[in-house]
This record gives sequence, structure tokens and C-alpha cells, in this order.
Amino acid sequence: SQTIHQWPATLVQPVGSPLSLECTVEGTSNPNLYWYRQAAGRGLQLLFYSVGIGQISSEVPQNLSASRPQDRQFILSSKKLLLSDSGFYLCAWSPQGGIGKAFFGQGTRLTVV
Amino acid sequence: GENVEQHPSTLSVQEGDSAVIKCTYSDSASNYFPWYKQELGKRPQLIIDIRSNVGEKKDQRIAVTLNKTAKHFSLHITETQPEDSAVYFCAAIALSGGYNKLIFGAGTRLAVHP
Repeated sequence: SQTIHQWPATLVQPVGSPLSLECTVEGTSNPNLYWYRQAAGRGLQLLFYSVGIGQISSEVPQNLSASRPQDRQFILSSKKLLLSDSGFYLCAWSPQGGIGKAFFGQGTRLTVV
Repeated sequence: GENVEQHPSTLSVQEGDSAVIKCTYSDSASNYFPWYKQELGKRPQLIIDIRSNVGEKKDQRIAVTLNKTAKHFSLHITETQPEDSAVYFCAAIALSGGYNKLIFGAGTRLAVHP
């Protein structure tokens, strides 16, 4: 069966510090991968999605970047965090070539102080 | 691009009553519509989905209806229980550059009171 791992679960970082969140998927090949952000009490905003290694589409101009160095690994990064980067970050995957059925990781609650 | 509107933003019902959450979408090419339930501090979990070739799908106390002409779909929860309290998100597939991506509504916070 497929599983998705995301870490860390919580993170407190000072303004201006770098960020690296990692997500890996097991039990499937060539998945679509997504990063979403959820501000407190708000909806899910799509940040990045990837259909293959090195293929990243950015949805919203911002202080973040994403990379996919391996088929089942998706990384969210920032060189310098802003206060506004605080939120709940969720990685998700869906089958390549399929429609929908996205499955989420446990999420990372990021607080920038 | 695809835009998904969800209403209401909050919904409060008594245990045993029904709850209905409605969503509209803008991209007529969308053909897949999942619903997710998110409990406090946890990840969203898929609870039911519907494809555009059907008008209704039911799974025990939850059901989803789809009106492709009007571009809206709804989640129906019958005989609500306190454990149904959560935030519910609708979503629709959007085609972008030949690839599919899920666009979510803003969410509905459902509170079921005993």
C-alpha cells in the first residue's frame, strides 16, 4: 500500500532563517506531488505541484521554492523566512495519469517568530 | 483557471439533523470532485468523491450530488453525530498544461451539537 511521510511535524523558525520541509512517498511510482499551505482557519492553497523529477510548477509567487530530486521525494524550501510564511504545510500525492484521489501527509505546522 | 466556491463557511446543527454543504466550480472541463474531512490539527482525509459521469453517489450517511450543467456539487450528511464535527473541503480537478491538479474550496466548519 502507498504511504506518504512528511517531516517535521512542527517547526519554529526565526525570521530570516532558511527552511527545508521534506516529503516522501512509498509504494507507488511516478506520482503527482503537491505542496499546499493552510493558514489558520483557512482553506488549502496550492503552492507547487510536480508531475516528474525536476518538473515543478509554481502556483503563487512567493518566498518559497520546491524541488523534486527523486521520483518520490518533494522538498519545500525557503532561503529567508518571513512572518507571513507561518502556516500548516501539507504535502500530497496522487497517481500519475489518474484523476484526483489526492492523499495528504501529516502536515508541518510552521511558526515563524 | 479553476475557481471553487464553497458555502457556508460555518454550519451548526443538532445531532441527528442533516447537513448540506454546497460548492460551485468554474472550469466546465472538470470531471472529478472529491470531498475531504479535516479534524483539528490533522491532515485532510478523503471521505467521498464523484466523477462527472454520475449525478449522485452515496456511502452510508454521506452522499454527494453533482449538477454539471449548473457546475455545482453538494455534500449531504444525514443523521449527524458529534464525531462529524470537522472542517469539510470540496475540490475540483483543474487541467493545467495537460496535467491535473486539485483546487480546493475555502472549507466549511461543521459543528454538531449533542
